[in-house]
Amino acid sequence: EIVLTQSPATLSLSPGERATLSCRASQSVSSYLAWYQQKPGQAPRLLIYDASNRATGIPARFSGSGSGTDFTLTISSLEPEDFAVYYCQQRSNWPPFTFGQGTRLEIK
Amino acid sequence: QVQLVESGGGVVQPGGSLRLSCAASGFTFSSYGMHWVRQAPGKGLEWVAFIRYDGSNKYYADSVKGRFTISRDNSKNTLYLQMNSLRAEDTAVYYCAKDLVVAASYYFDYWGQGTLVTVSS
Repeated sequence: EIVLTQSPATLSLSPGERATLSCRASQSVSSYLAWYQQKPGQAPRLLIYDASNRATGIPARFSGSGSGTDFTLTISSLEPEDFAVYYCQQRSNWPPFTFGQGTRLEIK
Repeated sequence: QVQLVESGGGVVQPGGSLRLSCAASGFTFSSYGMHWVRQAPGKGLEWVAFIRYDGSNKYYADSVKGRFTISRDNSKNTLYLQMNSLRAEDTAVYYCAKDLVVAASYYFDYWGQGTLVTVSS
């Protein structure tokens, strides 16, 4: 089973700042990685798939990069609605499809 | 617009059974693979099961294999999860999720609102 490790666990930033979230895989997942955003009491929302492709309707301030074992989700300029928990997920070696433990992005 | 509505959650005793349903609308249900994903209270996401568009293949997390069964009725646009031999550690919000593309990408682009399953005596 591929383990995904996200860092940091919590990221404290202010609106307008740039956010950089990391996801590291225990073995290569090629580019088969997605990012999701989850707000309290809501279902997750797909942001990025195949490492760098934005899902439908996702603002351009969200971008993904990386391949192999190291991946990054970047939010170029934080909006108030971006403060949430972010998860990465791999589909390279399955079952199972696995998620990272999440990064909480909080307002500083 | 795509809608996924789960139902069937509730409180059940350890060892008991429950069947979850997910009613789909707004897309051609019979063309897409579907997933169940769960989230224990205050915890992260855990993939549970996947079924191909035509029900021909089913896959499970080791934690539920042999106890849970995923199925679908394409004539009713409905996904199911039969959960047997429930344990306390199965307590979670259960989400159904649609696969991103027809050919099965194994990413989840639409999610239901979730249904809470609580296993407790």
